[in-house]
Amino acid sequence: AQTVTQSQPEMSVQEAETVTLSCTYDTSESDYYLFWYKQPPSRQMILVIRQEAYKQQNATENRFSVNFQKAAKSFSLKISDSQLGDAAMYFCAYRGRGETSGSRLTFGEGTQLTVNP
Amino acid sequence: ETGVTQTPRHLVMGMTNKKSLKCEQHLGHNAMYWYKQSAKKPLELMFVYNFKEQTENNSVPSRFSPECPNSSHLFLHLHTLQPEDSALYLCASSRWTSGSSYEQYFGPGTRLTVT
Repeated sequence: AQTVTQSQPEMSVQEAETVTLSCTYDTSESDYYLFWYKQPPSRQMILVIRQEAYKQQNATENRFSVNFQKAAKSFSLKISDSQLGDAAMYFCAYRGRGETSGSRLTFGEGTQLTVNP
Repeated sequence: ETGVTQTPRHLVMGMTNKKSLKCEQHLGHNAMYWYKQSAKKPLELMFVYNFKEQTENNSVPSRFSPECPNSSHLFLHLHTLQPEDSALYLCASSRWTSGSSYEQYFGPGTRLTVT
């Protein structure tokens, strides 16, 4: 079974600075997707960025980028120029591509990010 | 606004009550999901429906009964719940073609409290 681990329950960053959130996962599949979701106090789960395992290039979405290390099974999220609106719980998630695993999103425990003005 | 709506947003019910949660998606997706989010725990997948057919039941107790009348609507019928069932219940939807599903879009959730 796949597992996703976020070892940082809480992180904080100063506004305009950069922060990196860590995520590791375990899987026996060779092809899969990885995601970062953001859940602000409104509780709306919002997709931030996704990475396809067969792509070596790290995904980037504006101020958000990932460092995907397939061999190490590591998938960290970097937030540049942090803004107050980035404050939220961030979840790392895994999804396989197989017929039986392709529907299941496996989430980590989450990292609560605080942005200090 | 992700195109997935959930009602009610908050629900308080007694252990002997029967209530239903509703989810509706306006994205043209064909797969829908129920998740449970409890404090200090990762999101737990409960049910998956693909083209109205239930394709996954993640060992959920029978006091939770899902219903998917069409690809746009998903219900979770609740009866004789326990206090430990208090949680945020999230609905999601996605495209799903043969052998592959796509990004899941989440609704705002229903905060359920069982007294």
